Amino acid sequence: QSALTQPPSASGSPGQSVTISCTGTSSDIGGYNYVSWYQQYPGKAPKLLIYEVNKRPSGVPDRFSGSKSGNTASLTISGLQAEDEADYYCGSYAVHNKEFGGGTKLTVL
Amino acid sequence: QVQLQESGPGLVKPSETLSLTCTVSGGSINNNYWSWIRQPPGKGLEWIAYIYYGGSSNYNPSLKSRVTISVDTSKNQISLKLNSVTAADTAVYYCARDPVNLDAFDIWGQGTMVTVSS
Repeated sequence: QSALTQPPSASGSPGQSVTISCTGTSSDIGGYNYVSWYQQYPGKAPKLLIYEVNKRPSGVPDRFSGSKSGNTASLTISGLQAEDEADYYCGSYAVHNKEFGGGTKLTVL
Repeated sequence: QVQLQESGPGLVKPSETLSLTCTVSGGSINNNYWSWIRQPPGKGLEWIAYIYYGGSSNYNPSLKSRVTISVDTSKNQISLKLNSVTAADTAVYYCARDPVNLDAFDIWGQGTMVTVSS
């Protein structure tokens, strides 16, 4: 069982926005601004999309954005595209520990 | 640019020790944390351990008793040993870079599949 809780699935139509949540506790998400998000295609390694809650590495489109409120972090994908269909994982720092969510499978309808 | 390559046996017998190596190319091990992360087939990501280039390390509490992570700066390699393996340790094992000022995994290896079976 993962330390962080994500919905197992999400979906949206091309052009729409979709938000994926990630719930933790005051010991991880709520206590630190070290939330990250990863995109993973089948058979491939994860790719960093968001770090420190809402920062994007170079090369990640600004359609991807992150936020946090209390113990819950969110990833929002706007202007959904077919290529966004993938698995998405949240991650968080906890004291001397790193945690992941169970992953959300995003389907583009 | 920095690339990571995991290597090691693809098949390990139950109760034996799983040993993997991650080789860093195109950059230095220095001034970074390095983690091992695994993903059982069809399941999510699980962080295993991290090590700083200087040698300090931390482990997932659920695996701590069975795991050792080490670094060889002269070879630009990070190693993982997991002992007393069972079928539950069957997974794709990734190494990943965790820069000091980022607290996120910005570069990943392609992963190596390890199956525990007799």
